[in-house]
Amino acid sequence: KAGVTQTPRYLIKTRGQQVTLSCSPISGHRSVSWYQQTPGQGLQFLFEYFSETQRNKGNFPGRFSGRQFSNSRSEMNVSTLELGDSALYLCASRRDEANEKLFFGSGTQLSVL
Amino acid sequence: AQSVAQPEDQVNVAEGNPLTVKCTYSVSGNPYLFWYVQYPNRGLQFLLKYITGDNLVKGSYGFEAEFNKSQTSFHLKKPSALVSDSALYFCAVRGGSYIPTFGRGTSLIVHP
Repeated sequence: KAGVTQTPRYLIKTRGQQVTLSCSPISGHRSVSWYQQTPGQGLQFLFEYFSETQRNKGNFPGRFSGRQFSNSRSEMNVSTLELGDSALYLCASRRDEANEKLFFGSGTQLSVL
Repeated sequence: AQSVAQPEDQVNVAEGNPLTVKCTYSVSGNPYLFWYVQYPNRGLQFLLKYITGDNLVKGSYGFEAEFNKSQTSFHLKKPSALVSDSALYFCAVRGGSYIPTFGRGTSLIVHP
């Protein structure tokens, strides 16, 4: 069974640009959540989608948005990039909201110059 | 609100010695507690969880964790550390919300 797949693995952007990250969950998993990982802050929750609907949202500005498609694949978009957006963005899937175990992808390392 | 504290940024231990990675939490209601491990250039991997039942929970790779309600702690332990255990360890908690809150992580370094 394939794991959670995130693309691309690395991204380099400049301030003011926008970026789209992609996540394919494990087959059969309908919940996808996104986290931002930085050395100083650990993992910060961005949002979670379940069956194409955003169910929960973390404390991030509106420049961070996402969506989920009917096949459960998810994308995350960050507009007007800032230097502070440089981080590892992790996607995690689970079968449903009540399932406790998260399966993480390897992440997308975003560098904003 | 729910929160997790991992008081040590780094833990050093010699191979073959027991290891402990500390975690304390704050949550309303009954806690659901988790440990995840992250190896370099990888995502997080689930190690173990506590929801209810025995206070000592056994997980993957020989790890276990002890739930202590009075001290609001959920420390990760292993009787005999391996060099390959060197990684970043995250504790997480959730209460009424379905979304877990993660700690900042503790870097475990096991010396040969």
